Amino acid sequence: GAVVSQHPSWVICKSGTSVKIECRSLDFQATTMFWYRQFPKQSLMLMATSNEGSKATYEQGVEKDKFLINHASLTLSTLTVTSAHPEDSSFYICSAPPKGGTNEQFFGPGTRLTVL
Amino acid sequence: EDQVTQSPEALRLQEGESSSLNCSYTVSGLRGLFWYRQDPGKGPEFLFTLYSAGEEKEKERLKATLTKKESFLHITAPKPEDSATYLCAVRANDYKLSFGAGTTVTVRA
Repeated sequence: GAVVSQHPSWVICKSGTSVKIECRSLDFQATTMFWYRQFPKQSLMLMATSNEGSKATYEQGVEKDKFLINHASLTLSTLTVTSAHPEDSSFYICSAPPKGGTNEQFFGPGTRLTVL
Repeated sequence: EDQVTQSPEALRLQEGESSSLNCSYTVSGLRGLFWYRQDPGKGPEFLFTLYSAGEEKEKERLKATLTKKESFLHITAPKPEDSATYLCAVRANDYKLSFGAGTTVTVRA
C-alpha cells in the first residue's frame, strides 16, 4: 500500500514557540491531504484539508491563524502550530488519498506534540 | 451532519473467543464505510472499505459487513496480536472522513 510519512514523530516545545510538522506521501502524489488531531482515548477529529496550490480549508472551530497549513508540492504538506500552548498538546495525524486514485486514505504514523 | 457511533467502547476477549464490533452511521449519500486498526501511538492502518449494503470483506480473522444503517466487524478466534483500537469512518461527498470514537479490543492469552 501507499506510504505516508510524518516528521517529527514527537516534539516537545515551550509554550509560546511555533512547531512545524511535515507530512509526505512517499510513493504517490496527493493534491489533497488532511490533518487530524487526536486527544487521548478519543477519535480522530478533522482539523483542515490541505490543497496543493491553494489555501487550506479549515473545519469549524479550528483557528486558521494558529494552525498554518502549506501544501508546497504534490508530496508535501506542513502544519505549523503557532504560539503553542499546553492545550495544543495532542497527537497530530495526516492522511492522503492518492491523486486521481482509489477511495482509500493512507495515514501517516502521527506526531506527538507536547507543549510545556 | 454525518454521525458515526461505535459500540461497545471496550471489549475484552479471551483468545479464541469470537465477537463482533458495531458501527452505526447516519450519512447523506454514503460514498464508503471504512474500517481502520490503530495501535497505541500510531496512525490508523487501513483494513476495509465497504460501499453498498450486503457487501462483505474478509482479511485473516476479520470480516466486515455492511447494511444500510450499520456495519459489523467480526473477529473470529482472535489472538493477542488482534488487540488494538478499531475505528469506523464514513465518507459522504468529498474525501473527508467522519470517524467514530472506536472500540478498544483486548485479547488475553
